[in-house]
Amino acid sequence: EAGVTQFPSHSVIEKGQTVTLRCDPISGHDNLYWYRRVMGKEIKFLLHFVKESKQDESGMPNNRFLAERTGGTYSTLKVQPAELEDSGVYFCASSPRTGFMNTEAFFGQGTRLTVV
Amino acid sequence: AQKITQTQPGMFVQEKEAVTLDCTYDTSDQSYGLFWYKQPSSGEMIFLIYQGSYDEQNATEGRYSLNFQKARKSANLVISASQLGDSAMYFCAMRSAKTGANSKLTFGKGITLSVRP
Repeated sequence: EAGVTQFPSHSVIEKGQTVTLRCDPISGHDNLYWYRRVMGKEIKFLLHFVKESKQDESGMPNNRFLAERTGGTYSTLKVQPAELEDSGVYFCASSPRTGFMNTEAFFGQGTRLTVV
Repeated sequence: AQKITQTQPGMFVQEKEAVTLDCTYDTSDQSYGLFWYKQPSSGEMIFLIYQGSYDEQNATEGRYSLNFQKARKSANLVISASQLGDSAMYFCAMRSAKTGANSKLTFGKGITLSVRP
């Protein structure tokens, strides 16, 4: 079974440009999460989808970030316009919908975004 | 609010020795779960072990065990018989039951472990 896949693996863009990151979760996983890690800092939560609905978007830094999950399958995270501080590694994770606290989230390999 | 603290900047261990990676947490919640993930150089985060706040026994998964001290709010990961493939970054994370069983994880900064042959 395929794991969580993210595209692209790396992206270098200029400040002010737009970038769209894509995440394909594990098939059948209702939960989809976006996280970001800036170099040397914690991995920070951005938002959580349950199917196509945004369950929690408390971690989205500002309105330059737009996440979608049309049809409850893959998700995109668009940054427009990108700023220097948006650089970092963006992780996507997915998990099945359970009522159990110990449900692990399966992570992708991340997209390394560099804004120059 | 929850917070995870991992202060060890980098750890070294000799192959076949045991190593402890520290994690302290802060939460006002009574029910929560603690996770450890491993991130090798390939980038993918790999789940290692889970400890629930009400679990009476320390969690174990193969060579991984969790030294859970609830009163001290610590959840240290112990890796026994280190292998070269254990060289990676290790993240401690927690989830609050208050926000839901499948809610977000709060992570620490991570610890780099290097295993020497």
